[in-house]
Amino acid sequence: AQSVTQLGSHVSVSEGALVLLRCNYSSSVPPYLFWYVQYPNQGLQLLLKYTTGATLVKGINGFEAEFKKSETSFHLTKPSAHMSDAAEYFCAVISGGSYIPTFGRGTSLIVHP
Amino acid sequence: GAGVSQTPSNKVTEKGKYVELRCDPISGHTALYWYRQSLGQGPEFLIYFQGTGAADDSGLPNDRFFAVRPEGSVSTLKIQRTERGDSAVYLCASRSEGTGDEQFFGPGTRLTVL
Repeated sequence: AQSVTQLGSHVSVSEGALVLLRCNYSSSVPPYLFWYVQYPNQGLQLLLKYTTGATLVKGINGFEAEFKKSETSFHLTKPSAHMSDAAEYFCAVISGGSYIPTFGRGTSLIVHP
Repeated sequence: GAGVSQTPSNKVTEKGKYVELRCDPISGHTALYWYRQSLGQGPEFLIYFQGTGAADDSGLPNDRFFAVRPEGSVSTLKIQRTERGDSAVYLCASRSEGTGDEQFFGPGTRLTVL
């Protein structure tokens, strides 16, 4: 079985501040991990993914995430928030051998000027 | 096309009516997924197609929901005897190859059942 927990339904930061969105997963086998972003009235767009190899993954728009197996985490970070980063962010996991991703409930990122 | 498209973008219907939601995936993508997204929630898996066949329909909530993909491209999600609880955004996504590959999402169809 696989599951995803996103801590914090809302995260509020000031423009220019560090962004940290938390994601913890459970999986009985090595997982594939994804972060998606959703802007209002739009579909989800992939930010980054981890499948194998380097555990620090860089994505679009300056975001990155680190796969930490010992902590079963895949937290999303960005050094400096921009107003345009305000959106809903979803973490997702696919366990090896499965074709079906499980999504977290999402974290709404609010960026203050 | 350039991306996944879904029609209609909005659908308002009355309780008990039948609705069809359409998804046009990216050309050449063999895998197609339907999800349901309720307010404040992440996408919830409904059904997965590999080619023309439903490889996994374990997410369909009951037998009022059905989906087809007769030619391995366009897919239609069909909901019979709609209920108010069916109100949600229905998302479609397609993927090209392996499960580690990106899913490309459409903008969704917002279904409102009155």
